[in-house]
Amino acid sequence: EPEVTQTPSHQVTQMGQEVILRCVPISNHLYFYWYRQILGQKVEFLVSFYNNEISEKSEIFDDQFSVERPDGSNFTLKIRSTKLEDSAMYFCASNDWGETQYFGPGTRLLVL
Amino acid sequence: AQSVTQPDIHITVSEGASLELRCNYSYGATPYLFWYVQSPGQGLQLLLKYFSGDTLVQGIKGFEAEFKRSQSSFNLRKPSVHWSDAAEYFCAVVGRNTDKLIFGTGTRLQVFP
Repeated sequence: EPEVTQTPSHQVTQMGQEVILRCVPISNHLYFYWYRQILGQKVEFLVSFYNNEISEKSEIFDDQFSVERPDGSNFTLKIRSTKLEDSAMYFCASNDWGETQYFGPGTRLLVL
Repeated sequence: AQSVTQPDIHITVSEGASLELRCNYSYGATPYLFWYVQSPGQGLQLLLKYFSGDTLVQGIKGFEAEFKRSQSSFNLRKPSVHWSDAAEYFCAVVGRNTDKLIFGTGTRLQVFP
């Protein structure tokens, strides 16, 4: 069964550094998402992406965040200058024409 | 604004016992409703979903959920819990004019042998 994959599974970085989280959505899906889950808190929507542009973003998704689909398979989330409070599990999800989002296993980001 | 409430933070049941996890939503119309499960260190796996039609929906792993419009609820049930069901369960909603998922805070299920 096709699934969403994410790399790396864990990333440790220093505050102020840039990180890029990578996702490979399910191959025939057209809608892509990033969510995050701070430890002990609920899963929060960050951004949705369709047709090579952002279709919706939350107030969390400020100028420090960006997303890109650099080729036909990858979908990336970049954090330009990480802060301590960016430490979280980041989930990628994808969706075809329906309403069901399928999630990847997540990348655990730790900012020191 | 849309919201999801899961009133039970932590539930403990014995293996073989029945289970009901509560979920209430706030939305002006009938939303799309989902239950996801997250095992320790894992991602979010879709258990079941409700879009329209029959209000009792069946999912994977023997789970079912019932949509009750009058109570704005979408409770998850399983008649007999297995030890492997220990995980965190998230209820989520998508509105009809957006595709972002709004999650509840989750219910952690512990299963005793």
